[in-house]
Amino acid sequence: AQTVTQSQPEMSVQEAETVTLSCTYDTSESDYYLFWYKQPPSRQMILVIRQEAYKQQNATENRFSVNFQKAAKSFSLKISDSQLGDAAMYFCAYRKGSGGGADGLTFGKGTHLIIQP
Amino acid sequence: DVKVTQSSRYLVKRTGEKVFLECVQDMDHENMFWYRQDPGLGLRLIYFSYDVKMKEKGDIPEGYSVSREKKERFSLILESASTNQTSMYLCASSRVLGGNSPLHFGNGTRLTVT
Repeated sequence: AQTVTQSQPEMSVQEAETVTLSCTYDTSESDYYLFWYKQPPSRQMILVIRQEAYKQQNATENRFSVNFQKAAKSFSLKISDSQLGDAAMYFCAYRKGSGGGADGLTFGKGTHLIIQP
Repeated sequence: DVKVTQSSRYLVKRTGEKVFLECVQDMDHENMFWYRQDPGLGLRLIYFSYDVKMKEKGDIPEGYSVSREKKERFSLILESASTNQTSMYLCASSRVLGGNSPLHFGNGTRLTVT
């Protein structure tokens, strides 16, 4: 079974600084997809960024970027110029590329990001 | 934008009660999901549905059932609520099953069983 590990239960960063959230995963699949979701205090999970395993180029969405290291099975999220609105729980998620059945999204346990003004 | 609406933000129920959690999506998505979120455990899939009247068990289906009579509505049912079902419940939908298709989530229902 696939597992997703977020080793940092909590991170803190000064406003306007850069922070990196770690995520590693365990899989024997070669085709899969990776996601980062944000859950602010409003509780609604919002997609931040996603990465296809077959793509070598790291995904970027404005201030959010990933460092995808396929061989190391690592998928870290970098937030540049941190803003107070970035404060949230961040979840890393994995989905295998094929196989049918359940949707197969496996979530990590989350990292609580605190932004210090 | 996709809107997924969960009917209750907070619920307090007694042990043994039958509990219904309702979820409605407005984007004609085929697929709907129920997750349970607990501190330190992340999100765990309870059930999902890929079509009207169709359902599949997720990772933790025990003690739960679901109903999907209409495409836009997906209900989670606790037949006899127990204290270990106190949790945050998240509903989600997606247009496509699998691939890089994202899930669209509701705001969650925090259920307390006393």
